[in-house]
Amino acid sequence: EVQLADSGGGLVQPGGSLRLSCAASGFTFSDYYMDWVRQVPGKGLEWVGRVRNKANRYTTDYAASVKGRFTISRDDSKNSLYLQMSSLKTEDTAVYYCTRVGSYGKYDYWGQGTLVTVSS
Amino acid sequence: DIVMTQSPDSLAVSLGERATINCKSSQSVLYSSNNNDYLAWYQQKPGQPPRLLISWASTRESGVPDRFSGSGSGTDFTLTISSLQAEDVAIYYCQQYYHPPFNFGQGTKLEIK
Repeated sequence: EVQLADSGGGLVQPGGSLRLSCAASGFTFSDYYMDWVRQVPGKGLEWVGRVRNKANRYTTDYAASVKGRFTISRDDSKNSLYLQMSSLKTEDTAVYYCTRVGSYGKYDYWGQGTLVTVSS
Repeated sequence: DIVMTQSPDSLAVSLGERATINCKSSQSVLYSSNNNDYLAWYQQKPGQPPRLLISWASTRESGVPDRFSGSGSGTDFTLTISSLQAEDVAIYYCQQYYHPPFNFGQGTKLEIK
């Protein structure tokens, strides 16, 4: 069974940093691209970014709203995905989901999400 | 960037009746090389992550009831629930996965009338 377990959320002050993790199981993690998607409570879904697999040189893409502040990485030996967030703003407050990118781009599995609150 | 716009923002339908949600992309998400539309529909219930219902604009995912169907191509797409059930109350999102940023529509809230 495919499982994605997001963790690492919490309360952080504006300007601070936080690292989210996503532990994957039930599939060959190294074969897949992985994305982060966020959702402000009560609002819609926003794509955050992508990390591709080793065959595609672990290249990344980011939303304009987080580029230069967030970094997505992965450790295939640990079946884990990461989101390093820095220079956090109040508008980064959201539930962050890790997602598995299925064939050609659909999100076929989602984590349960982890809440990040940026507030003083 | 490809902007996704859904209509309506909210919808109330009687049990057993048809529900129709529209999604329009600001540019085509049809990839001519394979003739596939890079468009997905997701369902999100309160307190849960989204669930993939339909990919490639019209391919129902495994386990999704056949009352859900997707149609359209290019820039205009539709999600149809043929006979609304109580468990279909949710927010529905379309998303293009043609090119980054992989934007979602703003969501359509579906309720029982």
